[in-house]
Amino acid sequence: SQTIHQWPATLVQPVGSPLSLECTVEGTSNPNLYWYRQAAGRGLQLLFYSVGIGQISSEVPQNLSASRPQDRQFILSSKKLLLSDSGFYLCAWSGVSGSSYNEQFFGPGTRLTVL
Amino acid sequence: DQQVKQNSPSLSVQEGRISILNCDYTNSMFDYFLWYKKYPAEGPTFLISISSIKDKNEDGRFTVFLNKSAKHLSLHIVPSQPGDSAVYFCAAAYNYQLIWGAGTKLIIKP
Repeated sequence: SQTIHQWPATLVQPVGSPLSLECTVEGTSNPNLYWYRQAAGRGLQLLFYSVGIGQISSEVPQNLSASRPQDRQFILSSKKLLLSDSGFYLCAWSGVSGSSYNEQFFGPGTRLTVL
Repeated sequence: DQQVKQNSPSLSVQEGRISILNCDYTNSMFDYFLWYKKYPAEGPTFLISISSIKDKNEDGRFTVFLNKSAKHLSLHIVPSQPGDSAVYFCAAAYNYQLIWGAGTKLIIKP
């Protein structure tokens, strides 16, 4: 069965510090991968998605970047965090064909607080 | 411009009664819809989906209805249980992505 891991679960960082959040998927090959952010009391905002190694699409201009160095690894980064980067970050994967194509499966999330 | 809208930020329902969560969309190209349930500090979990070739899909206590002409779908939960208290997101699948509604917080009262 497929599983998705995210770490760390919680993170408190000062403004101006760098960020690296990691997401890995097990049990599937060539998944589509996604990074979302949920701000307090709001819906899910798609930040990045990737359909393959090294292929990243950005949905909104921002202070963040993403990379996919391996097939099942997706990394969210920032060189200098802003207060507005605080939120709940979610990684998700979906299959590329069949019944799993449309469904996205989410990791447990990372709660980031920038002070 | 929000392409998927959940106009009720919250909904309170008595335990044992029916919960009805609504969702509207604007893009007639959307052909697959999903409902997710989310508890605080956790990732959303997939609940039920429906393809545009159907107007109803049922899974246990959960039923999703799709009205294509009205560009409207709804999720019915019957009977509602305390564990159903969560935020429910409606989403439309389009080009590798899910277009999300803002969510409706469902509160089940004992």
